[in-house]
Amino acid sequence: AQSVTQLDSHVSVSEGTPVLLRCNYSSSYSPSLFWYVQHPNKGLQLLLKYTSAATLVKGINGFEAEFKKSETSFHLTKPSAHMSDAAEYFCVVSGVNTNAGKSTFGDGTTLTVKP
Amino acid sequence: NAGVTQTPKFRILKIGQSMTLQCTQDMNHNYMYWYRQDPGMGLKLIYYSVGAGITDKGEVPNGYNVSRSTTEDFPLRLELAAPSQTSVYFCASSSRQEIRWGYTFGSGTRLTVV
Repeated sequence: AQSVTQLDSHVSVSEGTPVLLRCNYSSSYSPSLFWYVQHPNKGLQLLLKYTSAATLVKGINGFEAEFKKSETSFHLTKPSAHMSDAAEYFCVVSGVNTNAGKSTFGDGTTLTVKP
Repeated sequence: NAGVTQTPKFRILKIGQSMTLQCTQDMNHNYMYWYRQDPGMGLKLIYYSVGAGITDKGEVPNGYNVSRSTTEDFPLRLELAAPSQTSVYFCASSSRQEIRWGYTFGSGTRLTVV
C-alpha cells in the first residue's frame, strides 16, 4: 500500500522569498517520488523525481527536493519565488517495480506568489 | 509531436448519456492510465493497463469501462453518465523501462454532466 499527504493545501509567499511545500509519504516498498506542477487549466508537468539515487534532487525552474527516509518526507523547495511559479503542485508516490507503476497523488498545494 | 493525445478537450453530457474519451500515444509505451481530477483534489486512478489486452481497475472504477486492443490506444467509456462523473480526466503513459522517470500526461478532457 502507498499513500501521500501534502501538509498544506495553500501556501502564499512574496516574490523573491523562499518556497517550501511539504509532503509526507508511506509505502510498503522502496518508492519513487515525484513532484508535478499544474498551471491553471493545463495538464501536469514533471518537476523532479527521486528514484533511489541521490537524496537531494534538482528539478526544473530552480526547484529541488530532499528525500528523507527517516522522516518519510519529500519536501519541495525553491530559494526565490517567481510570479510564474504560482500553480498547483502535486506530490506523488509510485510503485515502480512492484505496483505496475501505479501512482498515488496528494491532494495538491496551491502556491500563490504575491508581488 | 510525440506524446499523449486526448480527445475531446471539452464535453457536456446529459444524465444517462454515454461517451468515449479517447487517448492515444505514439511513444510505444506499454503502461497507460486513466485518472480523474475533481476540483481541489489530487488525481484518482480509474483504470490502468500494462499492455495490449490487459487492463485492471484502479481506485475509482465504478461507472467506467476500458479496453486496450492496441498498444497506442486506451479509450475510457462512460455508459450512463451521472453528475458525480463531472471531472477533468487525464490519460497518462510510460514504458516499463522508464516508469521510474514518471508519466507523460495528456492535456485532459473536461467533462460536465448535467
